[in-house]
Amino acid sequence: NAGVTQTPKFRILKIGQSMTLQCTQDMNHNYMYWYRQDPGMGLKLIYYSVGAGITDKGEVPNGYNVSRSTTEDFPLRLELAAPSQTSVYFCASSQVVGRVHNEQFFGPGTRLTVL
Amino acid sequence: QQPVQSPQAVILREGEDAVINCSSSKALYSVHWYRQKHGEAPVFLMILLKGGEQKGHEKISASFNEKKQQSSLYLTASQLSYSGTYFCGNVANSKLTFGKGITLSVRP
Repeated sequence: NAGVTQTPKFRILKIGQSMTLQCTQDMNHNYMYWYRQDPGMGLKLIYYSVGAGITDKGEVPNGYNVSRSTTEDFPLRLELAAPSQTSVYFCASSQVVGRVHNEQFFGPGTRLTVL
Repeated sequence: QQPVQSPQAVILREGEDAVINCSSSKALYSVHWYRQKHGEAPVFLMILLKGGEQKGHEKISASFNEKKQQSSLYLTASQLSYSGTYFCGNVANSKLTFGKGITLSVRP
């Protein structure tokens, strides 16, 4: 099992450009998440999904969009990139049963710089 | 509601013990603990569930006081490999919210 994979690993964008960060998991988890982590800071939840076709906003959703058409894939779309979106982006997945959230598995991250 | 972690940073010598705390203003059903090494993704350490059940994969122990809404992570006989940032997380409104993290440095 590959676990959670993310592409690309690194990307430099110009202000105003758009891009999609890809995330795939092969563990058949129902929940998937997107976090951003600024240097020296904690993890901030951008969006999450409880299953295919269902997404919801996290703490910092502005400037981002997501979709979840399959259980495996959860892409994150950046529209009109801004320098404030320079960060490391982590995708994660977990199996949630009722109120029990099992461990989150994280992808290796995408380091994004907006100039 | 973001959990509060303390202390902010810990510096240890190899072999020393440390305790990292996590508290929440909301009633907790479970607490998660993760460790992140510099330049890497966070890695799961332990889940503590209401009622005392624990799920963990490493030789690190933890406690969960449901009444006080607090959890503590115990690192005994620390090793150099324990260095990193430790995050606790609690579940509220169907999602896991992480604290700001505590940086732990173990020196030879």
